[in-house]
Amino acid sequence: GENVEQHPSTLSVQEGDSAVIKCTYSDSASNYFPWYKQELGKGPQLIIDIRSNVGEKKDQRIAVTLNKTAKHFSLHITETQPEDSAVYFCAASRNNNDMRFGAGTRLTVKP
Amino acid sequence: GAGVSQSPRYKVAKRGQDVALRCDPISGHVSLFWYQQALGQGPEFLTYFQNEAQLDKSGLPSDRFFAERPEGSVSTLKIQRTQQEDSAVYLCASSLARGEEQYFGPGTRLTVT
Repeated sequence: GENVEQHPSTLSVQEGDSAVIKCTYSDSASNYFPWYKQELGKGPQLIIDIRSNVGEKKDQRIAVTLNKTAKHFSLHITETQPEDSAVYFCAASRNNNDMRFGAGTRLTVKP
Repeated sequence: GAGVSQSPRYKVAKRGQDVALRCDPISGHVSLFWYQQALGQGPEFLTYFQNEAQLDKSGLPSDRFFAERPEGSVSTLKIQRTQQEDSAVYLCASSLARGEEQYFGPGTRLTVT
């Protein structure tokens, strides 16, 4: 089955700096790669996703890149703000079913 | 509109007790998923419903875990004879249809003492 690895487990940046979180996956049949933000006491919330027919996607300060050959994808957050502080999860799945999550990255943005 | 709701938000059970966790999906959402999230980990898939049919229960860790969605709306996850290793946050998610975006509820934090 699918195995997703996520790095780093913790990340601390200064407000205004960029943050990058990286994930690798094992199942070459996976074709859907969402990123979730989870705040304390809440469920994960989808922030951006990418499908395997696209190499990059951007939404304001957030971007995701996908390298299918190497089986890795990354989340980039630019101009970070304190409210970006949360735990971020990557996931991989076939058609958004049977989703497998990474272990999470705790991002802290220091004002 | 209302999102996915779960109850109770917190549950403390003595080892050996049975518990029932409820999920109210977004109205009209056909697909419903249950996940288990251990402390400091990502959610792990437990089971999936399409309407009232349980199409995938490959993630249920043991036969002590049972889920149902009898009318294709509200779902209940039941854990019998709880063990300490069952302590986790149980997340429910729903989507409009299979393959569409999953919306997560806030979870139920289960602590087994």
